[in-house]
Amino acid sequence: QSALTQPPSASGSPGQSVTISCTGTSNDVGAYDYVSWYQQHPGKAPKLIIYGVTKRPSGVPDRFSGSRSGTTASLTVSGLQTEDEADYYCCSYADNNYSYLFGTGTKVTVL
Amino acid sequence: EVQLEESGGGLVQPGGSLTLSCAASGFSFSDYWMHWVRQAPGKGPVWVSYIKGDGTTPVYADSVTGRFTISRDNAQNTLYLQMDSLRVEDTALYYCARAGVKFGMDVWGQGTTVTVSS
Repeated sequence: QSALTQPPSASGSPGQSVTISCTGTSNDVGAYDYVSWYQQHPGKAPKLIIYGVTKRPSGVPDRFSGSRSGTTASLTVSGLQTEDEADYYCCSYADNNYSYLFGTGTKVTVL
Repeated sequence: EVQLEESGGGLVQPGGSLTLSCAASGFSFSDYWMHWVRQAPGKGPVWVSYIKGDGTTPVYADSVTGRFTISRDNAQNTLYLQMDSLRVEDTALYYCARAGVKFGMDVWGQGTTVTVSS
């Protein structure tokens, strides 16, 4: 059960956009619509910001959007704000062993 | 208010046992699958286990299979994680999380810390 692959870091200036990739396989990211994204600020629990590949929970700004192409999911944060500086993790259901995999995590810095 | 509150963490020697609890409130607990997720210091979250709403079909990460047991008491709105044969590498902050639509983990507790050390 290997973690999904994310870039370690990403950055942008306020107002700019940043896109984070999450690469898996045909057994996880590419297989089901059970891909989610989480934002985590230091000392806090992860917070769900995208589920079902593209859907936003109530209360999550529409600056956050999700997509998928093949076995790679992506999270885009548009119109970066200082409060978006955090760690971001993808997660996917994996059909081998009916398990879940988190990504390696991406630290987003707002310059 | 929808809430999850973990408890039961602590310091334990390698080979020891510990049972974590997660008290749920503000929602119909038995309607939801529930997860345990752990996060070692300075590392990302790692999924540990989940259980269906009716308490059936527990599934475990390879790293804890045979050592950890997930269970729930729907009458008490409580999720459990019994951890046996603990190893130093099990040291982490343990979260419980609710599985919502499309299995996104939409509610998290604040976590309880487990430290395995001699």
